[in-house]
Amino acid sequence: QGQLVQSAAELKKPGSSVKVSCKASGGSFRTTALSWVRQAPGQGPEWVGGVIPMFDMSNYAQKFQGRVTITADDSTRTVFMELRSLTSEDTAVYYCARGSPSIAPTGSPYYKALDVWGQGTTVIVSS
Amino acid sequence: EIVLTQSPGTLSLSPGERATLSCRASQSIYSNYLAWYQQKPGQAPRLLIYDSIARATGTPDRISGSGSGTDFTLTISSLEPEDSAVYYCQQYGSSSSFGQGTRLDVK
Repeated sequence: QGQLVQSAAELKKPGSSVKVSCKASGGSFRTTALSWVRQAPGQGPEWVGGVIPMFDMSNYAQKFQGRVTITADDSTRTVFMELRSLTSEDTAVYYCARGSPSIAPTGSPYYKALDVWGQGTTVIVSS
Repeated sequence: EIVLTQSPGTLSLSPGERATLSCRASQSIYSNYLAWYQQKPGQAPRLLIYDSIARATGTPDRISGSGSGTDFTLTISSLEPEDSAVYYCQQYGSSSSFGQGTRLDVK
């Protein structure tokens, strides 16, 4: 079924950027959809965005547009999420998760249900 | 963005009883692209149900999903103490979003 292993916890200053990685093993890397989901303390999960390597396509939740970049490196089977202009409200556990991609007739992607999750990366934003 | 509202916020039941969790969407979800997850403290969410009604690998058949359009339900029959967790619904028919969760206590 595969496994996702994420990078270590980060402590960042307000206004800075963070880049988190997620290495995939098992299964096909190019034909999956890899999402980033964050969860602030005591809150529900929140979809940040994702990447579909097969279509060389990245998509972001409207809330994060312009502040996040998600990329994939086929050669190392690794996905990256960079989040910029950090504030205390970005303090959360960030998960990468795998699902199946689908494309609508309009060309819009669907990031389907997430069946494999990484262990999570804690990002703390504090001065 | 589609907003998902889950109810109740907390559910306390006894072993052997049935739990019914609701997830209501602010607009119809394309192709019933809705999933349910279970999350225990300190763990990542675990997929239970996808496409509204399909069980994920490893989901026992006492857990079932139903619904379409804007109203969806997760049913857990014959509750066990290990079912205590927070349950989230997620839609992936238009971008993606999660509900705020239902906490289930079984004791």
